[in-house]
Amino acid sequence: KQEVTQIPAALSVPEGENLVLNCSFTDSAIYNLQWFRQDPGKGLTSLLLIQSSQREQTSGRLNASLDKSSGRSTLYIAASQPGDSATYLCAVNMDSNYQLIWGAGTKLIIKP
Amino acid sequence: GAVVSQHPSRVICKSGTSVKIECRSLDFQATTMFWYRQFPKQSLMLMATSNEGSKATYEQGVEKDKFLINHASLTLSTLTVTSAHPEDSSFYICSAPRIDLNTEAFFGQGTRLTVV
Repeated sequence: KQEVTQIPAALSVPEGENLVLNCSFTDSAIYNLQWFRQDPGKGLTSLLLIQSSQREQTSGRLNASLDKSSGRSTLYIAASQPGDSATYLCAVNMDSNYQLIWGAGTKLIIKP
Repeated sequence: GAVVSQHPSRVICKSGTSVKIECRSLDFQATTMFWYRQFPKQSLMLMATSNEGSKATYEQGVEKDKFLINHASLTLSTLTVTSAHPEDSSFYICSAPRIDLNTEAFFGQGTRLTVV
């Protein structure tokens, strides 16, 4: 059974720092992996999707990597800003039935 | 990216009444949609998979007679919480994978349900 773990559960850093959020999964036979952002009381915003055949995806200050063999993905945020404060969730899709298996999230606080 | 619209964003209802939540894919067709429930400071809990033109698939422990799902068109799924009780108060979120975009999942804005 696939399990997804996110470490750390919470992270607080000063504005301007580069940071890395971690996501690990136990079964490497994934279809794709997706990173989301959730603001308090809001829905989820898709940040990056990485297919199983890809190693990384970039969008602006965000870079997500995937090492399927070791069961790991990282989300790198460059030059963090207070507006980046949110909970970041990773989820894996095992096959084409589209169901996602979720990590518990990392709550990120960027201090001005 | 694709847009999934969820309505209402907030609703307060009395115990015993029913509440309907709508989830629409605005710029793509969704044969499958997912309904989640989220408790405070917890991750998403999948409730059911909504399938266009057929019955929904419910996760273990989710009462199908209490949480009615209808997916009558390729752009609309509805979740009706029947005979609501205070313990049904929660944040409900729908999502739809976009098959033509590598199954990337897009989410609605969520509905905060409060049963008084």
